[in-house]
Amino acid sequence: KNQVEQSPQSLIILEGKNCTLQCNYTVSPFSNLRWYKQDTGRGPVSLTIMTFSENTKSNGRYTATLDADTKQSSLHITASQLSDSASYICVVSSSGTYKYIFGTGTRLKVLA
Amino acid sequence: SAVISQKPSRDICQRGTSLTIQCQVDSQVTMMFWYRQQPGQSLTLIATANQGSEATYESGFVIDKFPISRPNLTFSTLTVSNLSPEDSSIYLCSVVVGPWQGRNEQFFGPGTRLTVL
Repeated sequence: KNQVEQSPQSLIILEGKNCTLQCNYTVSPFSNLRWYKQDTGRGPVSLTIMTFSENTKSNGRYTATLDADTKQSSLHITASQLSDSASYICVVSSSGTYKYIFGTGTRLKVLA
Repeated sequence: SAVISQKPSRDICQRGTSLTIQCQVDSQVTMMFWYRQQPGQSLTLIATANQGSEATYESGFVIDKFPISRPNLTFSTLTVSNLSPEDSSIYLCSVVVGPWQGRNEQFFGPGTRLTVL
């Protein structure tokens, strides 16, 4: 069964600290993996997208990694800011389909 | 990119009534989807809105409960019928555009927050 699991479910960190969010998937055949940021009451916004051949992708203070062999991805946030408080969703798509499998998300709260 | 707007942004409805949500995209897109996000949960695909034909529903979602219209390539509506408190969720419109540089990109609308009393 195609699944995407994220950990931790929630995370609280102090402003300025770094953090890493995890995503494990069992989707096959794999096409690409995306990380989205969803602010409360808003739709998800894409942070990064990686295909099978890419193992790291950065977008400002966000760096995503992908290990296609172990089917794991991580999202590293550097020097966190209050505005990073949001849910981060890992989404995996399967080849030959427009269906996307969504993880349950990690809810991050950054405290001053 | 694609800019998506949804109306209404939020609504409070009585049990047994219906709510129609509108989705407008700033460009013509082939692939348009409706998602539901229940409180504290991730997104669940309701259906693919097909232009000029009936929507394609995912398992657990039926046309009588979630009728969808797609009159053209920039607009769609989702109706949530015979509302019950369990329908309280955020409903999101989404489109897939591309490919750009060999990949498709998915964009989401801001969502419609529905509360059923």
